[in-house]
Amino acid sequence: NAGVTQTPKFQVLKTGQSMTLQCAQDMNHNSMYWYRQDPGMGLRLIYYSASEGTTDKGEVPNGYNVSRLNKREFSLRLESAAPSQTSVYFCASSPGPRLELFFGEGSRLTVL
Amino acid sequence: GENVEQHPSTLSVQEGDSAVIKCTYSDSASNYFPWYKQELGKRPQLIIDIRSNVGEKKDQRIAVTLNKTAKHFSLHITETQPEDSAVYFCAARGTSYDKVIFGPGTSLSVIP
Repeated sequence: NAGVTQTPKFQVLKTGQSMTLQCAQDMNHNSMYWYRQDPGMGLRLIYYSASEGTTDKGEVPNGYNVSRLNKREFSLRLESAAPSQTSVYFCASSPGPRLELFFGEGSRLTVL
Repeated sequence: GENVEQHPSTLSVQEGDSAVIKCTYSDSASNYFPWYKQELGKRPQLIIDIRSNVGEKKDQRIAVTLNKTAKHFSLHITETQPEDSAVYFCAARGTSYDKVIFGPGTSLSVIP
C-alpha cells in the first residue's frame, strides 16, 4: 500500500497563477483533510471531507477550493495564488473514530 | 469556539530527563485525544492516543494523561533521548465530529 500520495512535491508559482494539489489514498478511508503548515503556526485545517461527495470549510479556507472526486481522491485548488499561500501543504486521511490521521509527504509551494 | 492550545511552545531538556507537554481544548466532540510527532522535514505521525473514558495510558517511555473535566491532556516522555527531538502536536475534534484541529506544536530539544 502506498498510503497517502500527494503531487507535486514542490511547486513555484507566480502571483495570480492557479494550480491544483492532488491527493490520493489507498486505505479505503472515509475522511480526508488538507492542512497547511507555516513556521510556528502548526497545522491549520483548510478543508475536510467526511465522505465522498461532501466537503466542509476548516480554519483557513479563504483562497482555496476543494473537490472530493471519489473516495480515494481529494484535490486542493488555488485559483489565484498569493504570496501568503506560500506554505507546506499536507493531505491526510482517517478511518475514524480514533483521531489517527495518515499524512502524505507534503507539498512545498512557493508563490513569488 | 474551537481552540486547541499547547504549552510550552519550546522545551529543552537534558538527555535522560523527563518532558511534559500540555494540551488544552475548548469545544470537542472527541472520544480520543492524540499526540503526533513530526521530525524535521517529515510528516506528522501518531505516537499515542487516549480514549475519553481512560485517565492514563502508557507505551514504554511515553504516556498520556487526560483530565476531561478541565479539558486538558498531557504528553509525558521519560528518560528522554536525542531521537525524541521533534515537534509534538496534540489534536482534538472541533464542534463538527469530522473536523480535526491541531494545536500549534511544541518543539522539543533533547541535549546530549
